[in-house]
Amino acid sequence: GENVEQHPSTLSVQEGDSAVIKCTYSDSASNYFPWYKQELGKRPQLIIDIRSNVGEKKDQRIAVTLNKTAKHFSLHITETQPEDSAVYFCAAIPTGGTSYGKLTFGQGTILTVHP
Amino acid sequence: KAGVTQTPRYLIKTRGQQVTLSCSPISGHRSVSWYQQTPGQGLQFLFEYFSETQRNKGNFPGRFSGRQFSNSRSEMNVSTLELGDSALYLCASSYTRTGAEQYFGPGTRLTVT
Repeated sequence: GENVEQHPSTLSVQEGDSAVIKCTYSDSASNYFPWYKQELGKRPQLIIDIRSNVGEKKDQRIAVTLNKTAKHFSLHITETQPEDSAVYFCAAIPTGGTSYGKLTFGQGTILTVHP
Repeated sequence: KAGVTQTPRYLIKTRGQQVTLSCSPISGHRSVSWYQQTPGQGLQFLFEYFSETQRNKGNFPGRFSGRQFSNSRSEMNVSTLELGDSALYLCASSYTRTGAEQYFGPGTRLTVT
């Protein structure tokens, strides 16, 4: 089955700096890669996703890049703000075959943005 | 549209008891997935339902079961509770046939004593 590794486990930055979180996946059939933000005591919130036919996607201050050959994808947050502080999870799923509804998650990155 | 809702939000049970958790998906979403979230194991997939059929199941013992109703609402049941079942149980709904793009509910915090 799919295995997703996420690094780093904790990340501390100053307000205004950029933050990068990296994930690698094992199943070459995976073709959908979402990122979730989970604030303390809240639900995971889908913040951006990318499909395997796209190399990069941006949405305001966040962007995701995908390297299918190396089987890794990354989340980039620019101009970080204190409200970006949360746990971020990457995930992967092959949308073909029988892996219906089964997102495989990385272990999470605790991002702290210091004012 | 209203988001995914889950009831109850908090639950305290004793070892050996059973529990039923409920999930109402976003209107129009037919796929519902369930996850267990713990500090040690992270987010782990339990099962997925689509149009009342379980299409996928994770590596959890048979004590964990679920079902989906014709209105796409889903329930999961855990029988013979163990201390290790203490966790946040999250459900997520998806409008896609593959169940890929998922939107999460707030979760049910289950504590087993």
